[in-house]
Amino acid sequence: EVQLVESGGGLVQPGGSLRLSCAASGFTFSTYAMYWVRQAPGRGLEWVSTISASGGSTYYADSVKGRFTISRDSSKNTLYLQLNGLRAEDTAVYYCAKRGVPPASYYFDYWGQGTLVTVSS
Amino acid sequence: QTVVTQEPSFSVSPGGTVTLTCGLSSGSVSTSNYPSWYQQTPGQAPRTLIYSSNTRSSGVPDRFSGSILGNKAALTITGAQADDECDYYCLLYMGSGIWVFGGGTRLTVL
Repeated sequence: EVQLVESGGGLVQPGGSLRLSCAASGFTFSTYAMYWVRQAPGRGLEWVSTISASGGSTYYADSVKGRFTISRDSSKNTLYLQLNGLRAEDTAVYYCAKRGVPPASYYFDYWGQGTLVTVSS
Repeated sequence: QTVVTQEPSFSVSPGGTVTLTCGLSSGSVSTSNYPSWYQQTPGQAPRTLIYSSNTRSSGVPDRFSGSILGNKAALTITGAQADDECDYYCLLYMGSGIWVFGGGTRLTVL
């Protein structure tokens, strides 16, 4: 059974940093691209970042580019998101998600339960 | 900046049929955008319903179907049930590793 478990959220002051983790199990982690998606309170879903299966390619939404860094450690089956320069508008539940199974893999097939990041003084 | 458009809200009677759409602020949605649809109830993670325009995810009832209608992606719910009342999001692949969600549609069943 595929499981994605996020952790690392919490309360942080504006300008602060946080590292989110997503522990993956139930599939061959090293062969799938992974994603971070966030949802501000009462708002819709927003794609944040993608990392390729190898970790060699990363992509970011304009809203977080230059401040957030996605990475992965296949030896630990864990996905990360480093959040720097946090702003109030980064307050959201952050979900990790897994890429779909080939050949029709252009979608997010499994989601974690999310971790809440609150940016406030 | 690309905006993916969805109806903010929609209402359907129990047992009725509803079609939610997903468009682009500029241009048409095509199969090359690999439209997918997600269902989300309050406080829960999204659940994958449809991918590649019209393929149901595992375990999704066949009363949910996806298509391309004209220049938009569409999600049709046939025989709406009370527990279909929640939020629905479309997701489009824009190329070059970029994904964009629609703003979501809140479906009411009454």
